Amino acid sequence: NAGVTQTPKFQVLKTGQSMTLQCAQDMNHNSMYWYRQDPGMGLRLIYYSASEGTTDKGEVPNGYNVSRLNKREFSLRLESAAPSQTSVYFCASLNWGELFFGEGSRLTVL
Amino acid sequence: GQQVMQIPQYQHVQEGEDFTTYCNSSTTLSNIQWYKQRPGGHPVFLIQLVKSGEVKKQKRLTFQFGEAKKNSSLHITATQTTDVGTYFCAVRLTQGGSEKLVFGKGTKLTVNP
Repeated sequence: NAGVTQTPKFQVLKTGQSMTLQCAQDMNHNSMYWYRQDPGMGLRLIYYSASEGTTDKGEVPNGYNVSRLNKREFSLRLESAAPSQTSVYFCASLNWGELFFGEGSRLTVL
Repeated sequence: GQQVMQIPQYQHVQEGEDFTTYCNSSTTLSNIQWYKQRPGGHPVFLIQLVKSGEVKKQKRLTFQFGEAKKNSSLHITATQTTDVGTYFCAVRLTQGGSEKLVFGKGTKLTVNP
């Protein structure tokens, strides 16, 4: 059982470039989440999806888009990356109130 | 929106000393969760508390939910180097049939051997 898998693990972008962070879970969970983690700021919710076909904004959605492609996959897209989006991004899925996190994707925007 | 304030932000202890982190809210909480994140790792679920005054133990870790359900604490007895990491509290919020979890900013624990 792989759990929650995120790709890529590391990425360096230039300002203005676009990219998509991929996330997949094999636990048949309905709800999935994207968080970003910055030093001293804890985990801040970007977007979440309660089920296939639905998405909702979290605390810090600006500059991001998401797609819940199917029950397994929930991707996060940066259309025009900015240095303020340098962060560690975590995908998670929810089951019985417990969040299961991926290993994280470290993104640097120059 | 719902906020949980977590203190302290950092704590450095000598191995064998006790450690406590606190999570406070201005509103009544329906539940609270605790997660641990090792350095370079991802958050891992520790426990969920839902009842007023609830106390749960996991070996050297003691979790408490306040009587008014506005605060919670995590206490570690006799810390070990394996306890190093950041401890987060989180609150589950249900809105329109969907659930989201809002996290505190975490307490980073370092342990001097």
